[in-house]
Amino acid sequence: EAQVTQNPRYLITVTGKKLTVTCSQNMNHEYMSWYRQDPGLGLRQIYYSMNVEVTDKGDVPEGYKVSRKEKRNFPLILESPSPNQTSLYFCASSLITGLPEQYFGPGTRLTVT
Amino acid sequence: KQEVTQIPAALSVPEGENLVLNCSFTDSAIYNLQWFRQDPGKGLTSLLLIQSSQREQTSGRLNASLDKSSGRSTLYIAASQPGDSATYLCAVRQWKGSGGSNYKLTFGKGTLLTVNP
Repeated sequence: EAQVTQNPRYLITVTGKKLTVTCSQNMNHEYMSWYRQDPGLGLRQIYYSMNVEVTDKGDVPEGYKVSRKEKRNFPLILESPSPNQTSLYFCASSLITGLPEQYFGPGTRLTVT
Repeated sequence: KQEVTQIPAALSVPEGENLVLNCSFTDSAIYNLQWFRQDPGKGLTSLLLIQSSQREQTSGRLNASLDKSSGRSTLYIAASQPGDSATYLCAVRQWKGSGGSNYKLTFGKGTLLTVNP
C-alpha cells in the first residue's frame, strides 16, 4: 500500500529535550516536505527536500532541522524544543514530474511543556 | 505572496442536501489545486487534484471546478451524508518562476462541514 508514515503519532516532551520525528514514504517520491498546523494559522511549510541531500527552508524553519540521506526518509529534528513548537506536524511527499499530487502522513501531535 | 481563502468557515446542512464549498486565491499563476479532507485530529486525505489547464474533476459524489483567471475553485458535494462531516481544505501550488519552485502547497484555513442525520 502506497503511504507516508510518521512516528511517533503522539509525543509529550519537555523544553530543551532533543527529539526526532521520522517520516518515510514507499512511493519513490523525490519531493518531501514538513508542515505544521496550528489553530487559526492553517498549515505552514517548515522545510522541504527536492531529492537526496537537497533540502531548503520553508516559511517557518526556525527551531527545526532536517536531513535527507535516503530517498524514502525525511526526519524532522527539534534540537531544543520550546512550547511554541507545540503543534500538529505533517509530512508530505510527491513526484516532481508527471502528476505531482501530494500525499500526506497521518500527523504527529507534539506537546512541549 | 499567494493567499488562499475558504468561505464559509463552517457549514451545517441536513443529510441529502447538495452543497458547495468555495476557495479563492490571489495569484492566478498556479500549477494545480488540490482539495483535501481532514477528520478531527487526523491526517489529510486528498480528494481531487485539478491541473491549471483543467476546468473540473469528478470523483463519485464530488466535483471540483477551477476558474484560474478569476482565482476561484468550488467543491460540489452531491447528496451529502453524515460521513461527509469533516474539514475540507483547499491548497494551491504555484508555477515555477512564480514562487513555485519548491512545490509548496499554500493552504486555506478550511471549511468545517457538519452533515446532520
